Amino acid sequence: NAGVTQTPKFQVLKTGQSMTLQCAQDMNHNSMYWYRQDPGMGLRLIYYSASEGTTDKGEVPNGYNASRLNKREFSLRLESAAPSQTSVYFCASSALSGRGFGDTQYFGPGTRLTVL
Amino acid sequence: AQTVTQSQPEMSVQEAETVTLSCTYDTSENNYYLFWYKQPPSRQMILVIRQEAYKQQNATENRFSVNFQKAAKSFSLKISDSQLGDTAMYFCAFMRGGSNYKLTFGKGTLLTVNP
Repeated sequence: NAGVTQTPKFQVLKTGQSMTLQCAQDMNHNSMYWYRQDPGMGLRLIYYSASEGTTDKGEVPNGYNASRLNKREFSLRLESAAPSQTSVYFCASSALSGRGFGDTQYFGPGTRLTVL
Repeated sequence: AQTVTQSQPEMSVQEAETVTLSCTYDTSENNYYLFWYKQPPSRQMILVIRQEAYKQQNATENRFSVNFQKAAKSFSLKISDSQLGDTAMYFCAFMRGGSNYKLTFGKGTLLTVNP
């Protein structure tokens, strides 16, 4: 099993450009998440999907939109990229849906995004 | 809101020695879960160990163990027989019970294992 995969691994954008980060998991997990990691900080939740067909905002959703395409795939879109969105983006998944019980989250390898 | 504090930005240890990484958290919840994740230079986030707050027994996973002090809101990670491959950033994380969607992370501790 590949676990959680993310594409692309690296991306450079100019201010104002748009792009979509892709995430897929092959563990038949119900919940999926998008985090960003900035220097000197831990990961912060951008969006999550507790189950197929649902999407909710996390701690830092401004400037992003997320789509749960199907059970396997969860994408994150930047409509008009800004330098403040330069970060490393991680996708994660966990088995349970909705209000689980401390369900462990498994992470992808990350996407390093630079916005000039 | 919950907060997680890792007071040691960097630590180093000699190969085969034991090292303890500190983590404290602030919450008014009684039901919650705590995690330690490892992030090596490859950047992959890897689960090291987890602890349920309702369990009094400290979790262990091979060379990794925790010292969970619920009253003191402390959750330290002990790495025994340190290996070069343990060199990584270590993150402590908190999850409120009944909610599997929000992990709150500390800022991390960079651990270097020296030969």
